Amino acid sequence: DVKVTQSSRYLVKRTGEKVFLECVQDMDHENMFWYRQDPGLGLRLIYFSYDVKMKEKGDIPEGYSVSREKKERFSLILESASTNQTSMYLCASSSGPGPVLYNEQFFGPGTRLTVL
Amino acid sequence: GEDVEQSLFLSVREGDSSVINCTYTDSSSTYLYWYKQEPGAGLQLLTYIFSNMDMKQDQRLTVLLNKKDKHLSLRIADTQTGDSAIYFCAEDGGATNKLIFGTGTLLAVQP
Repeated sequence: DVKVTQSSRYLVKRTGEKVFLECVQDMDHENMFWYRQDPGLGLRLIYFSYDVKMKEKGDIPEGYSVSREKKERFSLILESASTNQTSMYLCASSSGPGPVLYNEQFFGPGTRLTVL
Repeated sequence: GEDVEQSLFLSVREGDSSVINCTYTDSSSTYLYWYKQEPGAGLQLLTYIFSNMDMKQDQRLTVLLNKKDKHLSLRIADTQTGDSAIYFCAEDGGATNKLIFGTGTLLAVQP
């Protein structure tokens, strides 16, 4: 059964702290994604990765960085957390690239981060 | 830019049909998707439609696609309280391996 896990369901941090959000998938997927979800704004892509050690900026990368040292693990890093980064963070993975265009993404349960 | 738009909220009575609408912008999208997010959970794929189809039916779910107007809809027949969730449409932007998600529609089912 497909599984994407995230290290924490709830996290409370202080302004200026360095924050690590971890995501692990067990499906041998090439693609991994980090989104943030805010009411009325839907899901916005922060960063994604097509392969180990590879990363690309999404729509809102400012204030974030990522690391993908192993295929199954994709980490989101907030170098200096700010209150406007309080949000729900969702990780996802998908197989590919390849000739098949259908590309379902599988999501983790999310991490609700509060920055005080 | 790419914007996928949905209405934010829909309220229906149990047993009625629900119709959730979505307007997308990228005509090169090959697949369009509907995801469901239950309270406190991540998103799960509900159904999808290939861009050369007009309609897809899957049990209580019917997806309609109007490519000319770039309009996608999800109809849920005989809506149940367990259907209460946020529903997201998404387009693939033409085989980019990324998905572009809509703003999400919160469906509230009244008993």
